[in-house]
Amino acid sequence: SYELTQPPSVSVSPGQTARITCFGDVLPKQYAYWYQQKPGQAPVLVIYKDSERPSGIPERFSGSSSGTTVTLTISGVQAEDEADYYCQSADSSGTWVFGGGTKLTVL
Amino acid sequence: EVQLVQSGAEVKKPGESLKISCKGSGYSFPNYWIGWVRQMPGKGLEWMGIIYPGDSDTRYSPSFQGQVTISADKSIDTAYLQWNSLKASDTAIYYCARVTTGAVDLGCDIWGQGTMVTVSS
Repeated sequence: SYELTQPPSVSVSPGQTARITCFGDVLPKQYAYWYQQKPGQAPVLVIYKDSERPSGIPERFSGSSSGTTVTLTISGVQAEDEADYYCQSADSSGTWVFGGGTKLTVL
Repeated sequence: EVQLVQSGAEVKKPGESLKISCKGSGYSFPNYWIGWVRQMPGKGLEWMGIIYPGDSDTRYSPSFQGQVTISADKSIDTAYLQWNSLKASDTAIYYCARVTTGAVDLGCDIWGQGTMVTVSS
């Protein structure tokens, strides 16, 4: 199996830009997906296919990809964005993997 | 409304068996993969495996192969996660998620509310 590596934590002040990275050898070949999970709640999809945003997700959420790294960017961070964020991808055999998660703290 | 509704919380003893469920509604259940995800207390998300209810094609993450059984009954739009002999280390929240792939590739776009499983003597 393969791994996806995320920083354990990211901290930003309200109104600033948060960038959360995810590294993995499979990422140049496979799409990445991002999920937001708030305490006591199920995860919510915020980015699919590296950079697409589902309906209902605020425009301040965006995604990008470069080689073995994908990045979730939250522009103009709000207090309500404080949550855990997970990247996910799949290998060619259909085995999915999550990154370890990043705790976003809004200072 | 498209949704997945999971069965309620369970408290079991080590060695007992358990089957939890995930019922889909608002969409064509047989035609979408359903994945299962474990979240141990205070920890991250772990992918367990995936099933296509239309033909019961099932794929397990290597870490969970042989530890659990994933199944589905397309006649009642329900997927299942089953243990034959629970361990204390199975204590976790278990989520099911609809996986939308193919031409419209959304990943895990719909999630169940989670089922808390507690295994304790």
